Amino acid sequence: AQKITQTQPGMFVQEKEAVTLDCTYDTSDQSYGLFWYKQPSSGEMIFLIYQGSYDEQNATEGRYSLNFQKARKSANLVISASQLGDSAMYFCAMVPKWGGSYIPTFGRGTSLIVHP
Amino acid sequence: DAGITQSPRHKVTETGTPVTLRCHQTENHRYMYWYRQDPGHGLRLIHYSYGVKDTDKGEVSDGYSVSRSKTEDFLLTLESATSSQTSVYFCAISESDRNRVAFFGQGTRLTVV
Repeated sequence: AQKITQTQPGMFVQEKEAVTLDCTYDTSDQSYGLFWYKQPSSGEMIFLIYQGSYDEQNATEGRYSLNFQKARKSANLVISASQLGDSAMYFCAMVPKWGGSYIPTFGRGTSLIVHP
Repeated sequence: DAGITQSPRHKVTETGTPVTLRCHQTENHRYMYWYRQDPGHGLRLIHYSYGVKDTDKGEVSDGYSVSRSKTEDFLLTLESATSSQTSVYFCAISESDRNRVAFFGQGTRLTVV
């Protein structure tokens, strides 16, 4: 069974500063994918970034980067130069990469508020 | 953007009535999922499908049934709606050749009164 833990129910950051949202996971699978989603107040779930468990480099997508530490089973999302539009709920998720269940498992989310 | 459409987007229904939510995709993805989202619980899986007529239960399947008669459509039915089923329902799709990233529909806000 897989489990995703997001320990920060809420985070605050000043505009233009960087922020890290924590995610730890537990799985017995050797190969898996880790994802982050953004859910703004309008409600849609927006895919942000993907990290494969065997990828040698941390994933980056624009201002988003994933700080992947496999030994610690953590996949923290780093948002650089925060903008007001980054205020949203953020969900971490994972899925086995080969065989087994294709079902994504989600954490409970972290609410990020960006202050001007 | 992935072509996923949920209908209706909003619905208010009375306790005890049956309700069907529809998810329609144009991506020809094999896997489809129904999640519910409630404050403090994140996204919880209700049912999923791994092909036409192939479905299985998730962690919160009681009171729900699903059907998938075509690749593009995945229906979620609340057989007799209860107030505890008031929630936001999301459909998602994924495919094995895309790192299994799940793409989501816009969500359906269901209120059972």
